[in-house]
Amino acid sequence: AQSVTQPDIHITVSEGASLELRCNYSYGATPYLFWYVQSPGQGLQLLLKYFSGDTLVQGIKGFEAEFKRSQSSFNLRKPSVHWSDAAEYFCAVGVAQGGSEKLVFGKGTKLTVNP
Amino acid sequence: GAGVSQSPRYKVTKRGQDVALRCDPISGHVSLYWYRQALGQGPEFLTYFNYEAQQDKSGLPNDRFSAERPEGSISTLTIQRTEQRDSAMYRCASSLAGRKGVGPWAKNIQYFGAGTRLSVL
Repeated sequence: AQSVTQPDIHITVSEGASLELRCNYSYGATPYLFWYVQSPGQGLQLLLKYFSGDTLVQGIKGFEAEFKRSQSSFNLRKPSVHWSDAAEYFCAVGVAQGGSEKLVFGKGTKLTVNP
Repeated sequence: GAGVSQSPRYKVTKRGQDVALRCDPISGHVSLYWYRQALGQGPEFLTYFNYEAQQDKSGLPNDRFSAERPEGSISTLTIQRTEQRDSAMYRCASSLAGRKGVGPWAKNIQYFGAGTRLSVL
């Protein structure tokens, strides 16, 4: 069965520090991978996606993620965190089977940014 | 519209009552999805429509849950005889193309609404 694991429930970093959020997936076919961010009172916003090609993908707000097939990972990174990055981050794998398509999400990582 | 619109934003109901949650997708989006997100969890898939056809309802937890999209645009998720365990955030998403598009995921980025927070007392 398809699954996504985000090992860190809560991460705290200082503003200006670097950030890495971990994501591991389990999926038998070629994975389509996504990172979404959820700010309070907002919907889920797509940060970046990986479909194929270059394994290092760039997203909005200065985020990037690297797909590593050998490790079944798709970790999200940012070189310098801003206070406005405080939010909850969700990794997801796209599953297409039969006539259905859906996203399977991890449980999320809540990011706190200290001044 | 400019984005996926869900209404109401908040719904408080008493156990045993029926509720209807509405989703208005981005104009022109073919596919529509419903997810449920419990506190401290990621969203979990409920059901998927391609145009007006409900292609997958495998995520609906039981027969109290149903969804429709009669004209291929607005969708309604209905929960009958609500129970306290139904309390959650219900999220709707839409995407431009389904399986008939260019590859299953090439245009299939899902755009989410702000959700409906359902509280069953």
